[in-house]
Amino acid sequence: GIQVEQSPPDLILQEGANSTLRCNFSDSVNNLQWFHQNPWGQLINLFYIPSGTKQNGRLSATTVATERYSLLYISSSQTTDSGVYFCAAAQGAGNMLTFGGGTRLMVKP
Amino acid sequence: KAGVTQTPRYLIKTRGQQVTLSCSPISGHRSVSWYQQTPGQGLQFLFEYFSETQRNKGNFPGRFSGRQFSNSRSEMNVSTLELGDSALYLCASSLPGSYEQYFGPGTRLTVT
Repeated sequence: GIQVEQSPPDLILQEGANSTLRCNFSDSVNNLQWFHQNPWGQLINLFYIPSGTKQNGRLSATTVATERYSLLYISSSQTTDSGVYFCAAAQGAGNMLTFGGGTRLMVKP
Repeated sequence: KAGVTQTPRYLIKTRGQQVTLSCSPISGHRSVSWYQQTPGQGLQFLFEYFSETQRNKGNFPGRFSGRQFSNSRSEMNVSTLELGDSALYLCASSLPGSYEQYFGPGTRLTVT
């Protein structure tokens, strides 16, 4: 199966700073999703982005499928952005997501 | 439209017992997948059901099983619970023909 690696594992920012989270995957994929896990454990969908670029408010994501990586950009970070960000990928038929280890983000006021 | 719902939200069981968790997908979604999250192993895929058939299976022992009903609701069962089964169990659903998955709030299982 595919391997998914995220970096950095931990990130501490001051409120207002920008950040870039990276996700590398080992093979071609037909699904690449970014999630934010809230303190209660629920995974909140951020982007479905197997290729290309998308933006949603202060967040944007880019996946370069040919080079097997995806980037999540957070601009003007807020304390509510704190939490764990997961990248997950899948290939072939069905919906078998492989998750990266996550990036734990802490935004300080 | 209501999101994915999971019941119960919290559960405490004793080693050796069995447990059944339930997941109701978003209306119109027919694929339901289950994942286990532990501090040591992270998020791992358990199995996926589509139209009442298991379509994919992760690398878990046979004590973990699941099923899907005609209304797309799914249950997973863990028999002969072990301490290591303590985890957050997450369910996700997706539309036919779509790969994008939407997750429920999870069931936190504690085995003592």
